[in-house]
Amino acid sequence: ETGVTQSPTHLIKTRGQQVTLRCSSQSGHNTVSWYQQALGQGPQFIFQYYREEENGRGNFPPRFSGLQFPNYSSELNVNALELDDSALYLCASSGTPRGLNEKLFFGSGTQLSVL
Amino acid sequence: GIQVEQSPPDLILQEGANSTLRCNFSDSVNNLQWFHQNPWGQLINLFYIPSGTKQNGRLSATTVATERYSLLYISSSQTTDSGVYFCAGGSSNTGKLIFGQGTTLQVKP
Repeated sequence: ETGVTQSPTHLIKTRGQQVTLRCSSQSGHNTVSWYQQALGQGPQFIFQYYREEENGRGNFPPRFSGLQFPNYSSELNVNALELDDSALYLCASSGTPRGLNEKLFFGSGTQLSVL
Repeated sequence: GIQVEQSPPDLILQEGANSTLRCNFSDSVNNLQWFHQNPWGQLINLFYIPSGTKQNGRLSATTVATERYSLLYISSSQTTDSGVYFCAGGSSNTGKLIFGQGTTLQVKP
C-alpha cells in the first residue's frame, strides 16, 4: 500500500470528449507527477506539480492539463480525447520536487479507453 | 534526452532460479529507481539506487554510475516475482523519470 490513491480505476470515453482523473497523494507529500503508460510500453512523464504550480512537463500537447490543490491532491484533465489517449494513467507522489534521495510511489492507476 | 535500454526484454525462469536484469543509460543520472509492475498494473518501487549496492530480501541491485548501468538481481525466484521490471532514471534538475521498455519476467512453477 503506497498511500497514493487514484480514481476512477477504469473509464470509457468517446473520441472528442473530455476526462478528469484524480489522485490523492501520500500524506506529507507536496509533489505529484503524472505518467501515461501505453500498452506494452514504459510510463512516460506528462507533468509534475509542486505546491500547486506546474514544475516540469513532458512531450504532451496542451490539451493535457493539471491542477494541484492546497491539500496536495491533484487532477489530470484531457480535452478533445483521441484514440491514442487510451492508456493507463499513473500518479506518483514524493516529498520533494526533484525526487532525490527518495523513492517515487505510484497509485494503482486509471485505465482509460477511448472509443 | 536520456535514453534507457533494458535487457533482456523477456525472461522465462523455473521457480528457484536466479536472474540478472540490466539497465543502460545514455547519459549520467543521479536519480535511478527500479520498479516491479504486477499483473494488475500496480508499480511497486523496489530500489532507489543512484549508486552502490542495496539488498532487500531476495532482491539486490547494483548501480555503477561512472559506467551508466544498473543491475537487478533476483535470487531463488518465485511465481509471485512474475511481471514487468522497469528501471527509470533522471537528472538532478528535474523530478522527471525516464523509464525503459521493461523486462517481462515469467516464473514457472
